[in-house]
Amino acid sequence: KNEVEQSPQNLTAQEGEFITINCSYSVGISALHWLQQHPGGGIVSLFMLSSGKKKHGRLIATINIQEKHSSLHITASHPRDSAVYICAANTNAGKSTFGDGTTLTVKP
Amino acid sequence: SQTIHQWPATLVQPVGSPLSLECTVEGTSNPNLYWYRQAAGRGLQLLFYSIGIGQISSEVPQNLSASRPQDRQFILSSKKLLLSDSGFYLCAWSPDRNQPQHFGDGTRLSIL
Repeated sequence: KNEVEQSPQNLTAQEGEFITINCSYSVGISALHWLQQHPGGGIVSLFMLSSGKKKHGRLIATINIQEKHSSLHITASHPRDSAVYICAANTNAGKSTFGDGTTLTVKP
Repeated sequence: SQTIHQWPATLVQPVGSPLSLECTVEGTSNPNLYWYRQAAGRGLQLLFYSIGIGQISSEVPQNLSASRPQDRQFILSSKKLLLSDSGFYLCAWSPDRNQPQHFGDGTRLSIL
């Protein structure tokens, strides 16, 4: 079992839909990182959070430390949101552990 | 502002040949530097990270090595490439371990 599990693995949505991607981890963390990887391979950092909730535009990330769970939400999804979304845990042991990613396709 | 440069963008190498991928960061000092690999259809794997010149930590045993000869230069090397070294290699930097990382554009390495 991976230390960081993401679900779903693949997600297809219609433009405008509200999207949720989930990340569960089984290790102690100092911070959790959400990344976006575009089809060409480039990676962009979306959020890093250790508690509560962060919002940037149409993106919202939440984390529940007690439940060891984080979610990434996209409101009013758009085809340009199509990408692979990756959850990464900075563990208390000083390691970075990555989920396998969620491939999101938003259809017009 | 800070920028990260990684090259080349694509590379095709024969099995057994050497490798050198370079990554440089501008606009900051004493960054944490990282090398990642993403095999086809797989998630990101941290290969090496460095908190300072000459300080390299290896996350997984492998055929690759890393060096940091200057504060903002991080090099990924191999003496003899294996087929299993194929993949997408990404360099990243952050001000410290618990700050967001900023990624280079990646190098797509194919071993023939």
